[in-house]
Amino acid sequence: SQKIEQNSEALNIQEGKTATLTCNYTNYSPAYLQWYRQDPGRGPVFLLLIRENEKEKRKERLKVTFDTTLKQSLFHITASQPADSATYLCALDTSGGSYIPTFGRGTSLIVHP
Amino acid sequence: GAGVSQSPRYKVAKRGQDVALRCDPISGHVSLFWYQQALGQGPEFLTYFQNEAQLDKSGLPSDRFFAERPEGSVSTLKIQRTQQEDSAVYLCASSLASTGRTTDTQYFGPGTRLTVL
Repeated sequence: SQKIEQNSEALNIQEGKTATLTCNYTNYSPAYLQWYRQDPGRGPVFLLLIRENEKEKRKERLKVTFDTTLKQSLFHITASQPADSATYLCALDTSGGSYIPTFGRGTSLIVHP
Repeated sequence: GAGVSQSPRYKVAKRGQDVALRCDPISGHVSLFWYQQALGQGPEFLTYFQNEAQLDKSGLPSDRFFAERPEGSVSTLKIQRTQQEDSAVYLCASSLASTGRTTDTQYFGPGTRLTVL
């Protein structure tokens, strides 16, 4: 079956450390993968998109990697801050570059001061 | 407007009631999406509009769900004869994209939390 897996357990880290979140998928061949941030009571906010032919993408303190062999994306936040605490969702296209991404359930990140 | 807005933010309905959820997309955005997000889950696609045309409604869970966007701007998601399993947050998103195969950024509204008793 087709699945998108994100760790359901919250990730707790200390301020200043690097947070690494994982998104694994099975039985898809996505043309792209996206990461979103979602705060309680709010809609997701787009952060980064990485295409299948890109290994890594960076934006300020964020870094995303995409390994189509391992079927995995890693999302890193360097020098994490308490304000980074939120749920992070990965999403990928499940039908040949479709405009409609399929979302994982998200992982909660808690950054402790 | 500054972003996508949705109303009401919260809706409590008795089982069997009909509800209507409104989405005001960002002005000028061609594409509009509706998603359903259950507690602890990611958003699940319901339907997609390009201007006033509903191009994809494959995610609507039953014929009790109906969406429209008659003038290509505001959209309404209607749920008839609500059931307890309809309880969820309903998210609307819009994007500038005018083509079906693009990765243009989707901007989400805050959602409407529907609780069916």
